[in-house]
Amino acid sequence: GENVEQHPSTLSVQEGDSAVIKCTYSDSASNYFPWYKQELGKRPQLIIDIRSNVGEKKDQRIAVTLNKTAKHFSLHITETQPEDSAVYFCAASTQEYGNKLVFGAGTILRVKS
Amino acid sequence: ETGVTQSPTHLIKTRGQQVTLRCSSQSGHNTVSWYQQALGQGPQFIFQYYREEENGRGNFPPRFSGLQFPNYSSELNVNALELDDSALYLCASRTLPVMGEQYFGPGTRLTVT
Repeated sequence: GENVEQHPSTLSVQEGDSAVIKCTYSDSASNYFPWYKQELGKRPQLIIDIRSNVGEKKDQRIAVTLNKTAKHFSLHITETQPEDSAVYFCAASTQEYGNKLVFGAGTILRVKS
Repeated sequence: ETGVTQSPTHLIKTRGQQVTLRCSSQSGHNTVSWYQQALGQGPQFIFQYYREEENGRGNFPPRFSGLQFPNYSSELNVNALELDDSALYLCASRTLPVMGEQYFGPGTRLTVT
């Protein structure tokens, strides 16, 4: 079955710097890759997603890139702010509409002001 | 704020007992997925219900079962509780087959003692 690995497990950056989180997946049939942000004690919230027919997607300070050949995708956050501090999860699914999401283990992002 | 709700918020049970968790999907959504999130880990897919039938299951034993009702709300039942069942249980709703993200509920924190 699908396996998703996520790195790093923790990431500390200075406010204003960029943060990059990387994920790799094992199932070449996976074609939908969402990223979720989870603040302490709260529900996961989708921040951006990408489908396999697209190599890059951007939404303001957040961008995601996908390399299907290498089977990895990355989250890029620019101009980080203290409110970006949270746990970020990547996920992969073999069905485009998010059936059976397989999540990575998460990255704790700390933005220091 | 999404419309997915879950009850109860917290629950404490004893090993060997049975528990039922409830999820009300967002208006217009016909699919509910359940996930188990152990402390410090990513959510793990338990199963998914679409039009009142299970149409996908993760690597969980049969003592994890569920239901979906005509109004698309759902229940997760766990029999013979074990200590390792202690986790945050999340449900997520969406609409199949239309493209769309999964919206997570706030979760039920289950503690098994």
